[in-house]
Amino acid sequence: GDSVTQTEGPVTVSESESLIINCTYSATSIAYPNLFWYVRYPGEGLQLLLKVITAGQKGSSRGFEATYNKETTSFHLQKASVQESDSAVYYCALGDLAGSFNKLTFGAGTRLAVCP
Amino acid sequence: EAAVTQSPRSKVAVTGGKVTLSCHQTNNHDYMYWYRQDTGHGLRLIHYSYVADSTEKGDIPDGYKASRPSQENFSLILELASLSQTAVYFCASSDGDSQNTLYFGAGTRLSVL
Repeated sequence: GDSVTQTEGPVTVSESESLIINCTYSATSIAYPNLFWYVRYPGEGLQLLLKVITAGQKGSSRGFEATYNKETTSFHLQKASVQESDSAVYYCALGDLAGSFNKLTFGAGTRLAVCP
Repeated sequence: EAAVTQSPRSKVAVTGGKVTLSCHQTNNHDYMYWYRQDTGHGLRLIHYSYVADSTEKGDIPDGYKASRPSQENFSLILELASLSQTAVYFCASSDGDSQNTLYFGAGTRLSVL
């Protein structure tokens, strides 16, 4: 079946340092997967951070970037300089572009702690 | 602002008891979903619904029932709670187009003892 594997947390970085959270996927049943990053801040629900529908394209939001790499089946999340407010759990997910609804396959989530 | 509200936020239940988790959305979305997350694992789809009075099985429906009495409300029912159902449960809604964003509630932490 489809699966998503991401960096195991917790990940701890200092403020203003760079960040990369790795995400690789296997889309055995989806010909053209969408790729997503969701974020869950403390006490809140998951919210969409960014999404990319087309292989080779890059998505960006709030200083975060991720590039959809079909060759390496990866969608790594990067940020050049993190802030304390970025502390959260980050989820990589894939979805079926051709599906009739947004059925997502999630990774386990990566907890990020940013130290001041 | 899209809003999905879950209740309760946490619950302790006894094995064999009945548990109902509730979800209310004010997004006017057709689709609603129930996911569960176990420690160290990704969210997994239990049930979903695309119209009131109709529910569909997701990837792990065994041991769960769902109810969609209106567009706004979607409940998850554990008739006979078991230890293995201890998890965090998330409700979500969306417009239904596969490219559209899911909007999630804050989650319900369920502990079955």
